Amino acid sequence: SQKIEQNSEALNIQEGKTATLTCNYTNYSPAYLQWYRQDPGRGPVFLLLIRENEKEKRKERLKVTFDTTLKQSLFHITASQPADSATYLCALEGRSQGNLIFGKGTKLSVKP
Amino acid sequence: IAGITQAPTSQILAAGRRMTLRCTQDMRHNAMYWYRQDLGLGLRLIHYSNTAGTTGKGEVPDGYSVSRANTDDFPLTLASAVPSQTSVYFCASKLAVSTGELFFGEGSRLTVL
Repeated sequence: SQKIEQNSEALNIQEGKTATLTCNYTNYSPAYLQWYRQDPGRGPVFLLLIRENEKEKRKERLKVTFDTTLKQSLFHITASQPADSATYLCALEGRSQGNLIFGKGTKLSVKP
Repeated sequence: IAGITQAPTSQILAAGRRMTLRCTQDMRHNAMYWYRQDLGLGLRLIHYSNTAGTTGKGEVPDGYSVSRANTDDFPLTLASAVPSQTSVYFCASKLAVSTGELFFGEGSRLTVL
């Protein structure tokens, strides 16, 4: 069965450092991989989308990589700030249906 | 711009009762989705609709039904609620099946006693 794993439930880092979150998947060949941010009590908010034929995508302090051979995506937040503290969700989308499958998320805490 | 509106925000329900969670979007998106989010299990797809008039089953459809009479509305009905349906429910939409970004509502927290 299709499986998405985000490498850790929680990640604690110091302000100013780079946060790196990992998303691995098995038994799936996604056309797109997406990252979302979710704050407590709120709905997820879209951050970045990367296509299967793209290796890297950047947006301000965010960078996403996508390795279809390793079946892995890395999500980086550079110069992290306490305001970046949230749960980050990885999601995969197939070619035919358009439904997204989500990972369980990684809770990031950035300490001042 | 409202985006996606869900109602109610929170509800406590007796087991066996019928409940409809409402979802309305004003973005003229074709595709709409219902997810449930549970601690330790993440977001799981219940039902989806690629366009008005069509619906499909997701990963966990049992005990739930949906309808899509028009573009804007996508209600989720629990015909006879059970305690295992206690969860936070999120409605989401995107412009079309082929586009990527999902827009989420703020969620409906449902407790079934």
